[in-house]
Amino acid sequence: RKEVEQDPGPFNVPEGATVAFNCTYSNSASQSFFWYRQDCRKEPKLLMSVYSSGNEDGRFTAQLNRASQYISLLIRDSKLSDSATYLCVVKKGLNNDMRFGAGTRLTVKP
Amino acid sequence: EPEVTQTPSHQVTQMGQEVILRCVPISNHLYFYWYRQILGQKVEFLVSFYNNEISEKSEIFDDQFSVERPDGSNFTLKIRSTKLEDSAMYFCASTVNTGELFFGEGSRLTVL
Repeated sequence: RKEVEQDPGPFNVPEGATVAFNCTYSNSASQSFFWYRQDCRKEPKLLMSVYSSGNEDGRFTAQLNRASQYISLLIRDSKLSDSATYLCVVKKGLNNDMRFGAGTRLTVKP
Repeated sequence: EPEVTQTPSHQVTQMGQEVILRCVPISNHLYFYWYRQILGQKVEFLVSFYNNEISEKSEIFDDQFSVERPDGSNFTLKIRSTKLEDSAMYFCASTVNTGELFFGEGSRLTVL
């Protein structure tokens, strides 16, 4: 099983749509979870951390289910500028090592 | 705003040559990383570095690769005897300990 596994995508949605991405991780001892965004040929950048209680940042909502080892990202009212690849990232343990999922590509169309 | 800087932005080399990719992490950061991304593929972990030594390395990071922090600011990745399949974008990243990785803009390596 891959350390971090994501929906393969791609997702093509119209502006204003709601879209959800899923991610599973294999190491039950994983401590921290993040969603990063990567634009084409650019470096990944942190979108949001994922907290146990779930958290929201504007149109973005992240959820964590430790029992199922599952993380999600919900984007509401999607914008053209949301088009990017979304990377699920898991921190393995105390030494801060991060592992990336393969990413899910989102294209928002007018 | 402090940032991670990487040089060169693009390097073209012949197969079998050695390359050194350089990174200047954010100054108060303690953990340093190299990742690579082959075009169109996932971001792959290569190595992490803390307290002047490797803390973890992936199966990709074999004897062909080495890292150094020679002067307390630069963090280098050396690739010996490059192969065609080493062509990729190499990202350096650093963090304090909060979990957020700050990435450089990457060094694109093309091996001919």
